[in-house]
Amino acid sequence: ETGVTQSPTHLIKTRGQQVTLRCSSQSGHNTVSWYQQALGQGPQFIFQYYREEENGRGNFPPRFSGLQFPNYSSELNVNALELDDSALYLCASSSAGVMVDTQYFGPGTRLTVL
Amino acid sequence: AQSVAQPEDQVNVAEGNPLTVKCTYSVSGNPYLFWYVQYPNRGLQFLLKYITGDNLVKGSYGFEAEFNKSQTSFHLKKPSALVSDSALYFCAVRDMSSGNTGKLIFGQGTTLQVKP
Repeated sequence: ETGVTQSPTHLIKTRGQQVTLRCSSQSGHNTVSWYQQALGQGPQFIFQYYREEENGRGNFPPRFSGLQFPNYSSELNVNALELDDSALYLCASSSAGVMVDTQYFGPGTRLTVL
Repeated sequence: AQSVAQPEDQVNVAEGNPLTVKCTYSVSGNPYLFWYVQYPNRGLQFLLKYITGDNLVKGSYGFEAEFNKSQTSFHLKKPSALVSDSALYFCAVRDMSSGNTGKLIFGQGTTLQVKP
């Protein structure tokens, strides 16, 4: 098991609502990446946070936003939820500055949008 | 565009037999390749990575992977499969075109089924 934790484990929301997912990075790691994994698909990169700033973004709309805190934990916020946002949301922590750092994933948050 | 392909949706193997899960990639520049495993209702667990050096990379739980530049492949292998190896396996490549974001591009995944 990695030291990456995520909360909550499961979440049910209705279309149009807003949701916040949380991630605590592994000890010694300063970078957090977020991925969306739809059913039957591989994870898709949402964005990465380093030094409390967004450091790269995938093909996701602005209603997906995030934060990183001084302790390197992170939040993923999704506004105006759509049915297609139903997925497993994974965060991964890593150490920036390490040559091709390995990303270690948390257990994920299963979001269901009704 | 950089991409990863896992040509098999499912691989079936008998316990004790060798297993191979295939992965091919398309990148500009040097590839940085990863294998992860996902058990039901769990996150991804890191198995191994190739950065440079020896083409045969050894990883966790007895898995290894062979990097082949000419065939642009990075197949995952294990000499003797266990029933407990049954899971979903993902190959990924670091997207170096996105600068230093650490973005990983994943394949669609291959379900490995090991039968007793």
